[in-house]
Amino acid sequence: SAVISQKPSRDICQRGTSLTIQCQVDSQVTMMFWYRQQPGQSLTLIATANQGSEATYESGFVIDKFPISRPNLTFSTLTVSNMSPEDSSIYLCSVGSGWGMNTEAFFGQGTRLTVV
Amino acid sequence: GQQVMQIPQYQHVQEGEDFTTYCNSSTTLSNIQWYKQRPGGHPVFLIQLVKSGEVKKQKRLTFQFGEAKKNSSLHITATQTTDVGTYFCAENTDKLIFGTGTRLQVFP
Repeated sequence: SAVISQKPSRDICQRGTSLTIQCQVDSQVTMMFWYRQQPGQSLTLIATANQGSEATYESGFVIDKFPISRPNLTFSTLTVSNMSPEDSSIYLCSVGSGWGMNTEAFFGQGTRLTVV
Repeated sequence: GQQVMQIPQYQHVQEGEDFTTYCNSSTTLSNIQWYKQRPGGHPVFLIQLVKSGEVKKQKRLTFQFGEAKKNSSLHITATQTTDVGTYFCAENTDKLIFGTGTRLQVFP
């Protein structure tokens, strides 16, 4: 199993500003994943954070809006840049016990972001 | 890209009634995982199915993977108020892609 510490747990931000969300894992993992969950919706994958290389973004998400850092195998940050009310959402980081067969995903507690 | 659809979107049941959520894909799935997200919480892994036609049980929960590996179901027998939450199916390849989810409300 993996224990993920994510912070902040919630924040209220002014439009036009940026917020950086941090995730710390209690073990070394190759890949970390960042998801967005809009109110009442499913989880949408934003990007895969790879240590030692640039993050891989999913369709509809770009690095300028959601820059990601992955300085080592236990830590990652996601920044939500130039925020607008449409960015109000829950952001979650995730790791797997491995990816592929017979693995499960573990999630941080999430960051509830409100943009006003 | 592919989206895995779940039905129903919402379900309200009386405590003690059964509940089923269905997960459908337009393409063959390599595997299917199920997660439960309590209100205000994060998704928690329940189970993974890999084989065609596979059936697994966890106490009151029964999980099935279709013969064609394009659909899956989660059935809860005799629901309890602790079953409240949103149930997601997801395909796990090199990344985890979630279905649309079914929100379950149980009235005592």
